[in-house]
Amino acid sequence: DIQMTQSPSSLSASVGDRVTITCRASQSIVIYLNWYQQKPGKAPQLLIYGATNLHSGVPSRFSGSGYGTDFTLTISSLRPEDVATYYCQQTYITPPTFGQGAKLEIK
Amino acid sequence: QVQLVQSGAEVRKPGASVKVSCKTSGYTFTSYYLHWVRQAPGQGLEWMGWINPNNGATNYTQKFQGRVSMTRDTSISTAFMELSSLKSDDTAVYYCARRDSFGSGSLDFWGQGPLVTVSS
Repeated sequence: DIQMTQSPSSLSASVGDRVTITCRASQSIVIYLNWYQQKPGKAPQLLIYGATNLHSGVPSRFSGSGYGTDFTLTISSLRPEDVATYYCQQTYITPPTFGQGAKLEIK
Repeated sequence: QVQLVQSGAEVRKPGASVKVSCKTSGYTFTSYYLHWVRQAPGQGLEWMGWINPNNGATNYTQKFQGRVSMTRDTSISTAFMELSSLKSDDTAVYYCARRDSFGSGSLDFWGQGPLVTVSS
């Protein structure tokens, strides 16, 4: 199975900050990388698919980049409602696998 | 609008089985694969498998082979996931999620996920 490693596992930032979360795959996954946001007690929600494509309805302050093994999720200006855990997922090879999550808090 | 509405929370004893439903609406049920993902309390997301609602084909991750069964009833646009021989570490929230139509394999809509508790 492809291992997905996110860093950091937790982070704290101030409102308005630029926030970056990285995800590394154990082998190339080309662009088959998706990002999800999960708020406490809720189901995950798709943010980014195919490494760089913003899902419908997702605010433009979210963006994704990367190719191959290294990927990044960026929040350009952090808002209080962005407090959540963020997961990356590879869908290049079955089984699709998730990163361990990155918990984002507000300072 | 697309909706996936799942059945409610369940409590089972070790060794028993549980069947979770996922009723869909707002799109053509047979046109999108449905995946099942679980999340143990305080833990990350774990993929279990998928079903193709069009023909009933399934693909399960090796960890659950022989214990899981994913089925569907096209007449009511509903998918089901049954997990047998339950153990305490099967305690988790079980989500159904629709695979996208973009070709990326992402899961674009999710059910609310019932908690299944396995306890003696």
